Amino acid sequence: GAGVSQSPSNKVTEKGKDVELRCDPISGHTALYWYRQSLGQGLEFLIYFQGNSAPDKSGLPSDRFSAERTGGSVSTLTIQRTQQEDSAVYLCASSPGGSGANVLTFGAGSRLTVL
Amino acid sequence: AQKITQTQPGMFVQEKEAVTLDCTYDTSDQSYGLFWYKQPSSGEMIFLIYQGSYDEQNATEGRYSLNFQKARKSANLVISASQLGDSAMYFCAMREGGNTGTASKLTFGTGTRLQVTL
Repeated sequence: GAGVSQSPSNKVTEKGKDVELRCDPISGHTALYWYRQSLGQGLEFLIYFQGNSAPDKSGLPSDRFSAERTGGSVSTLTIQRTQQEDSAVYLCASSPGGSGANVLTFGAGSRLTVL
Repeated sequence: AQKITQTQPGMFVQEKEAVTLDCTYDTSDQSYGLFWYKQPSSGEMIFLIYQGSYDEQNATEGRYSLNFQKARKSANLVISASQLGDSAMYFCAMREGGNTGTASKLTFGTGTRLQVTL
């Protein structure tokens, strides 16, 4: 597609429920990133996929968080047993590659509210 | 230690004036890249400018320029002739590892909120 597409744009859930957030990267982009942005804060790295390499999961805050990328394209971020502190905007980005000057193009984000 | 430090939580500038947004970084890598992104109130992240650690010239993109001082580990963003539409959050970011093929994520600073006034 023309840009990075994320769904849903808004999600309200109850504490303890599981949620799935989806990201469709730009076609042909081999690198895909998930970031989290809490209200008024900077971007917190969560996970990074590059081609067929093992993902860099170093930013996932707990084992309730997981992500997969199927067929080197679409990615799903799953948060199990959601907590109120998980409320944030979850941003997905993709780039042509993982190194050098390759610029990340961000999606519009999925705003998660945990009640 | 913070890898990217933006010490100015908020800045004001008058329309048509120039403004400098500060960014310092910390890395032991020789090869790295520095980025600036703009985030308007609508929330999207907009790429502005990139500087590679081996680039001898300061990067420029229209009204944006990056004042790269490698020895001081600073990568300040200069916006010339500010416009009302420049009001937004500005984030500095770094990718370590350069073109080694093992480079990965961008690490972001906490941002500077710029307000352009009449």
